[in-house]
Amino acid sequence: GDSVTQMEGPVTLSEEAFLTINCTYTATGYPSLFWYVQYPGEGLQLLLKATKADDKGSNKGFEATYRKETTSFHLEKGSVQVSDSAVYFCALTGNTGGFKTIFGAGTRLFVKA
Amino acid sequence: DAGVIQSPRHEVTEMGQEVTLRCKPISGHDYLFWYRQTMMRGLELLIYFNNNVPIDDSGMPEDRFSAKMPNASFSTLKIQPSEPRDSAVYFCASSLWAGTGNYEQYFGPGTRLTVT
Repeated sequence: GDSVTQMEGPVTLSEEAFLTINCTYTATGYPSLFWYVQYPGEGLQLLLKATKADDKGSNKGFEATYRKETTSFHLEKGSVQVSDSAVYFCALTGNTGGFKTIFGAGTRLFVKA
Repeated sequence: DAGVIQSPRHEVTEMGQEVTLRCKPISGHDYLFWYRQTMMRGLELLIYFNNNVPIDDSGMPEDRFSAKMPNASFSTLKIQPSEPRDSAVYFCASSLWAGTGNYEQYFGPGTRLTVT
């Protein structure tokens, strides 16, 4: 079945450092790919998405490119801020029927001032 | 827009008691999802509805869990009887079908359940 694997955390960075959180997936066909973010005490919220190969999703300085050849959707940000501290989830929704979204395990990011 | 509303935000109950969690999805959304989040198991999909009809309940852990959606603006998740291992944060999310690829889900703030 479909699955998502993302790098284990926690990831600890200093403010203004470069961020990469790796995400790979297994799915049939052409799924849609997402990054969600969860701040402490809140529900998940969509950060960015890409719906077809080579699409780049971007939002709030974060970017991720849908790479079908490597089945990857790595999250990047050039300069992180303390306010980016949160848990990040990679997710996919397949197009083989239904509306089920598969979430990765989440990666906790700590940014130090 | 008020977003997805969940109640209560926190629930503490004793083992064996019935627990009912409530969710009001975003108006106009036609999909509703119930998730459970724990440190050990991460985020798990329990059940989801389309136009108030349950589509996939394969994630419901046991017969102790049941979910209903009597109308487009209300859903409940019930646990009876509750057990300490049910302690988790339960999220409700809703979504609107808007064409292939547009599967964004809007999450509520969650209900933190503690069963003692």
